[in-house]
Amino acid sequence: RKEVEQDPGPFNVPEGATVAFNCTYSNSASQSFFWYRQDCRKEPKLLMSVYSSGNEDGRFTAQLNRASQYISLLIRDSKLSDSATYLCVVNYGQNFVFGPGTRLSVLP
Amino acid sequence: DTAVSQTPKYLVTQMGNDKSIKCEQNLGHDTMYWYKQDSKKFLKIMFSYNNKELIINETVPNRFSPKSPDKAHLNLHINSLELGDSAVYFCASSPDGYEQYFGPGTRLTVT
Repeated sequence: RKEVEQDPGPFNVPEGATVAFNCTYSNSASQSFFWYRQDCRKEPKLLMSVYSSGNEDGRFTAQLNRASQYISLLIRDSKLSDSATYLCVVNYGQNFVFGPGTRLSVLP
Repeated sequence: DTAVSQTPKYLVTQMGNDKSIKCEQNLGHDTMYWYKQDSKKFLKIMFSYNNKELIINETVPNRFSPKSPDKAHLNLHINSLELGDSAVYFCASSPDGYEQYFGPGTRLTVT
C-alpha cells in the first residue's frame, strides 16, 4: 500500500459546484497534514494545514479522521481559478510524503 | 520580492556531466529542502537541511549532494548525470519544519 493515496481524477465540475477530495495515509505515526495546490508547470503552494478538529478557510474546508487515516478537502462554490492539482501531504518527523494529487477542472 | 528562488530555471545537459542547481530563500527560514518531481508528477523529498545540518536523506544516489554555504542557501550538486535524473527539482523552505514554501522549480533534461 502506498504511503499516501489520492484519486487522480480528473474531477470536471461546473462553476459554482461543490467538490470533495479524499486522501488516505498508511503511517499511523503521521503527525501533521496539509493540502497544497499545484498549477500546471508551477510549484506547489500551501493551501491549508489540516487540524484534528477540522478547519475552514473561506470556501475551503479540511477534515482529518485519525482513526480511519483519512483526510478530506471540500471546495464550495467552485471558481474557474480553482482548476489545479490538489496534493495531500502527510508529515512524520522530518519526513514529508506527498500524494500523487487529484486534478480538478472547473468548467464555465 | 522572490521568497524562494532557484537558478537555472531550465537545464539541458548530456549524460555523464556534472551540474549544480542553486537555491536561495530570503524568508529567514531555518529549514530548506530539495524535492524531485518526475514525469509522473510524483513529488518526492530528497534532502532537508536545518541550520546547515542534513536531517534526512531519502535514499537518493550519492551522485546527488546538497551543499549549504549558509542558512539562506541550499544548492544541489549532481555528478555523472543519467537519463533517469530528468525531472523538475524544487527547492523549498520552512519556518517551522511544517509549512513549506516552494521555489519555481528547475526543469532538468538529460540527453
